[in-house]
Amino acid sequence: EPEVTQTPSHQVTQMGQEVILRCVPISNHLYFYWYRQILGQKVEFLVSFYNNEISEKSEIFDDQFSVERPDGSNFTLKIRSTKLEDSAMYFCASRLRRLNTDTQYFGPGTRLTVL
Amino acid sequence: AQSVAQPEDQVNVAEGNPLTVKCTYSVSGNPYLFWYVQYPNRGLQFLLKYITGDNLVKGSYGFEAEFNKSQTSFHLKKPSALVSDSALYFCAVRDVSYNTDKLIFGTGTRLQVFP
Repeated sequence: EPEVTQTPSHQVTQMGQEVILRCVPISNHLYFYWYRQILGQKVEFLVSFYNNEISEKSEIFDDQFSVERPDGSNFTLKIRSTKLEDSAMYFCASRLRRLNTDTQYFGPGTRLTVL
Repeated sequence: AQSVAQPEDQVNVAEGNPLTVKCTYSVSGNPYLFWYVQYPNRGLQFLLKYITGDNLVKGSYGFEAEFNKSQTSFHLKKPSALVSDSALYFCAVRDVSYNTDKLIFGTGTRLQVFP
């Protein structure tokens, strides 16, 4: 069964450094998402992406964040200058079509630790 | 505002007994409701969803959930729990009234099934 994959599984970085989190969505899916979960808190929506554009973003997704689909398979989340409060589990998700009934399928997550 | 509440941080149940994991939601319009499960070191796995129609929906691994509009609830159930069901369960809602496909998650409920 096709799955969303994410690399790395764990990323440790120093505050102020740039990080890129990578995701490979399910191959024929068209809609892509990033969510994050700070330890002990809710899973929160960050951004949705379709047709090489951001469709929607949350208040969390400020100028330090960016997303890109650099090729036909990868979907990346970049944090330009990491802060301590960016430490979280970051989940990528993908969806086949914009039909309301479609399900978002999630990857295993990348745990980001900012020191 | 859209929100999801999972009132129990943890649910303990003996193997073979029925289980219920509670979820209530608040949206402005019609909800699409989802349950996801997270096993250790794994991503969020889709279990089931309610879109429309029959209030009782069946999903993976013998789970089912009942949509109750008057109580704004979507409780997850299973007639006979297995030790392997032990995991973290998340309820999520999508408010169809808005032009958004982001999911709003609850805080999660840890299910512990004892042999």
